[in-house]
Amino acid sequence: GAGVSQSPSNKVTEKGKDVELRCDPISGHTALYWYRQSLGQGLEFLIYFQGNSAPDKSGLPSDRFSAERTGGSVSTLTIQRTQQEDSAVYLCASSPGLAGVNTQYFGPGTRLTVL
Amino acid sequence: DQQVKQNSPSLSVQEGRISILNCDYTNSMFDYFLWYKKYPAEGPTFLISISSIKDKNEDGRFTVFLNKSAKHLSLHIVPSQPGDSAVYFCAASSSTGNQFYFGTGTSLTVIP
Repeated sequence: GAGVSQSPSNKVTEKGKDVELRCDPISGHTALYWYRQSLGQGLEFLIYFQGNSAPDKSGLPSDRFSAERTGGSVSTLTIQRTQQEDSAVYLCASSPGLAGVNTQYFGPGTRLTVL
Repeated sequence: DQQVKQNSPSLSVQEGRISILNCDYTNSMFDYFLWYKKYPAEGPTFLISISSIKDKNEDGRFTVFLNKSAKHLSLHIVPSQPGDSAVYFCAASSSTGNQFYFGTGTSLTVIP
């Protein structure tokens, strides 16, 4: 069956440009998470969507970062005016979103390099 | 502040022997713990989990132990196989919260 997909797999951009990263969660999963992993670091939580509820944006590192989830499915993470410290692997995960704690299923990630 | 810590960045084990990966956490509200395995250029994949109502959960060659008083959990892999070579992430969550907190990972190398 189809897992979580992310695009692009790699993105190289120049400092100051905007980038959009896309995540297609597993069909029927109502919960969606964005994380990033910088070199030598663990997974850093960015944002969480659950159904039609207001997203938990508490992990977004600055106002240059935003994310939306259209129709409760596909999500886009946007980074404006990229900086070199934004270089990382950005991972998306989805889960069934049932009551209680659910296992997350991760996509392959987007490797972002800001020159 | 890192709420989940994996203090060993790497571990090498001979094939057939036991691999023990450790994880410590600081938040006493965490009540659900997971281990993920990650190969290069792939996303993490779920391996095994444990709820705080248990102190052990076993699935084939993989066993997770939880010591709540010490805020410590460990993953045992026995016997270790070369295909187990990967980065292993520990994660923790609270059933009352939305976030999962991940450690920095331990890179396991199983030597044939």
